[in-house]
Amino acid sequence: NAGVTQTPKFQVLKTGQSMTLQCAQDMNHNSMYWYRQDPGMGLRLIYYSASEGTTDKGEVPNGYNVSRLNKREFSLRLESAAPSQTSVYFCASSEARKADALPWGWENVSNQPQHFGDGTRLSIL
Amino acid sequence: QKEVEQDPGPLSVPEGAIVSLNCTYSNSAFQYFMWYRQYSRKGPELLMYTYSSGNKEDGRFTAQVDKSSKYISLFIRDSQPSDSATYLCAMAPSGAGGTSYGKLTFGQGTILTVHP
Repeated sequence: NAGVTQTPKFQVLKTGQSMTLQCAQDMNHNSMYWYRQDPGMGLRLIYYSASEGTTDKGEVPNGYNVSRLNKREFSLRLESAAPSQTSVYFCASSEARKADALPWGWENVSNQPQHFGDGTRLSIL
Repeated sequence: QKEVEQDPGPLSVPEGAIVSLNCTYSNSAFQYFMWYRQYSRKGPELLMYTYSSGNKEDGRFTAQVDKSSKYISLFIRDSQPSDSATYLCAMAPSGAGGTSYGKLTFGQGTILTVHP
């Protein structure tokens, strides 16, 4: 099982260039997430998608856009890269879904653990 | 003040030692508590997952949650060089109302080195 696959693994960009980071999962998960990881800052949520066709902002969305192409794929786009966006980007997926979408309204199912890809290391000069 | 605080270390211990890793948090709505292990140049992998308070044991690993103190711990017994990694705590609120969608809040991570 591949789990969560991210491409590319490494990329160097010049300031102002654009780029799309790709993510695909084969676990049939409903929810997908994009994080960035910086030294001393932990993982910070950029955008997430609770289900196919929906996306929402996370903690640090400025300068990024996302597309939930289908249930498997969730891409992150930098329209005009800036040096402050130099980071390691992680995609994750989970079974999390709306509690009220469940017939019995069981809230526990809405917070299943996330599974991560191995990241894209992005440097912007 | 960050919602989740974790001592970044680094922490260096000899092989066979008992390791204690800790996180404190301020959001009383957190109900789900996780520990992830991250090897160099890899993504985080889930190590332990607990709901609400109490202890959970899995092999050499024990996770403890004390909601009254807003404090969680991960203990590693008989530590091995292969345990050398960054350990991240993560938390999520209750899913009531369907608004959390599994969003996690992470600590900064603690770098652990176990030397032979």
